[in-house]
Amino acid sequence: AQSVTQPDIHITVSEGASLELRCNYSYGATPYLFWYVQSPGQGLQLLLKYFSGDTLVQGIKGFEAEFKRSQSSFNLRKPSVHWSDAAEYFCAVGAGGTSYGKLTFGQGTILTVHP
Amino acid sequence: GAVVSQHPSRVICKSGTSVKIECRSLDFQATTMFWYRQFPKQSLMLMATSNEGSKATYEQGVEKDKFLINHASLTLSTLTVTSAHPEDSSFYICSAFSSGGPDTGELFFGEGSRLTVL
Repeated sequence: AQSVTQPDIHITVSEGASLELRCNYSYGATPYLFWYVQSPGQGLQLLLKYFSGDTLVQGIKGFEAEFKRSQSSFNLRKPSVHWSDAAEYFCAVGAGGTSYGKLTFGQGTILTVHP
Repeated sequence: GAVVSQHPSRVICKSGTSVKIECRSLDFQATTMFWYRQFPKQSLMLMATSNEGSKATYEQGVEKDKFLINHASLTLSTLTVTSAHPEDSSFYICSAFSSGGPDTGELFFGEGSRLTVL
């Protein structure tokens, strides 16, 4: 069975500082990997996704993530955090083909940004 | 970009009543939609896959008679929580898989519907 672990429940950074959110997955085949952001009481917005190809993926809002198969990781990074980035971030793994869209989510990481 | 709308965004009901939540793809067709449940301060758990014109596929442990899913058109899936109880209180989120147009193959999430059962 597939699973996703986000080791950090809550991260606090200062505005302008760099950010890295960790994500480790367990999946038997080549995974489809996603990062989503959720503001309080809202749905999910896709930041970026990885299916294949270049292991460094660029997303929206200045985010990027790197797929490392050897470490089963897909960490999310941003070089300089803005106060508006405060939200909850979810890493997810899924399959392709007819199972595309059936995602397994991590527990989420809440990001707090200090001015 | 493509939009998925959920209605209602918030609903409060009495225990024992049924509640229907709609998930609409506003500008694309979706033969497949997904329903997730999110408990407070927890992650999203996939409940079921909604297939247009056929029966939904439920994940293990999800009561199909409790959570009725209907996908009667290419743009609408509904989740009905039957005989709701306080433990059904949760945030329900749908996603839709675009099966046509410029966003074909993409997945879009709704804004979520918060159900509170008294």
